Amino acid sequence: AQKVTQAQTEISVVEKEDVTLDCVYETRDTTYYLFWYKQPPSGELVFLIRRNSFDEQNEISGRYSWNFQKSTSSFNFTITASQVVDSAVYFCALSEAGLNDYKLSFGTGTTVTVRA
Amino acid sequence: DAGVIQSPRHEVTEMGQEVTLRCKPISGHDYLFWYRQTMMRGLELLIYFNNNVPIDDSGMPEDRFSAKMPNASFSTLKIQPSEPRDSAVYFCASSLAGVTEAFFGQGTRLTVV
Repeated sequence: AQKVTQAQTEISVVEKEDVTLDCVYETRDTTYYLFWYKQPPSGELVFLIRRNSFDEQNEISGRYSWNFQKSTSSFNFTITASQVVDSAVYFCALSEAGLNDYKLSFGTGTTVTVRA
Repeated sequence: DAGVIQSPRHEVTEMGQEVTLRCKPISGHDYLFWYRQTMMRGLELLIYFNNNVPIDDSGMPEDRFSAKMPNASFSTLKIQPSEPRDSAVYFCASSLAGVTEAFFGQGTRLTVV
């Protein structure tokens, strides 16, 4: 069963628009970690953020912000005032540390295209 | 730190040949992961090591695939014999501990013709 669902396959926006990427996860674990990674056209996977299951505070880093809600098992990612350089595939991932399972289970990714 | 280093960056080989992919993790990291990325299956874990010991190899597709980590600074993923369906980008990643973020190498794009 898919542990991480990213329902949006592709999103296209015009520069300066905000874009929100949805991530829904599924786990029986009480201690888990959620991640977002960015994969630009060059192909590397770039770490963006890690959150643990005990910290539901939202986080902002520059134009990026994350909304973690355990009640809905969601960890959504918003890019504010998008730029062309934000064009990439974004992956949400889950690690179930409480089950001693440290691998990252990735969602299928959302391709974001920002048009000038 | 130079980050996770993978070699080669690109590999083209003929079906039936042996392929060896190499990875040098970030110094001090005790977890090492091998992932494969394809359009059909996305990013999938093949195997991961903790302190050079394989912990979970349930993602290794079949006996043609093998991975080793002879020491803390080197790992290999071998495919023998290779098949066209093995064509993919193979990523190596390392982390300081199981619960911290994993840092990925730039990947090896494998094409089996």
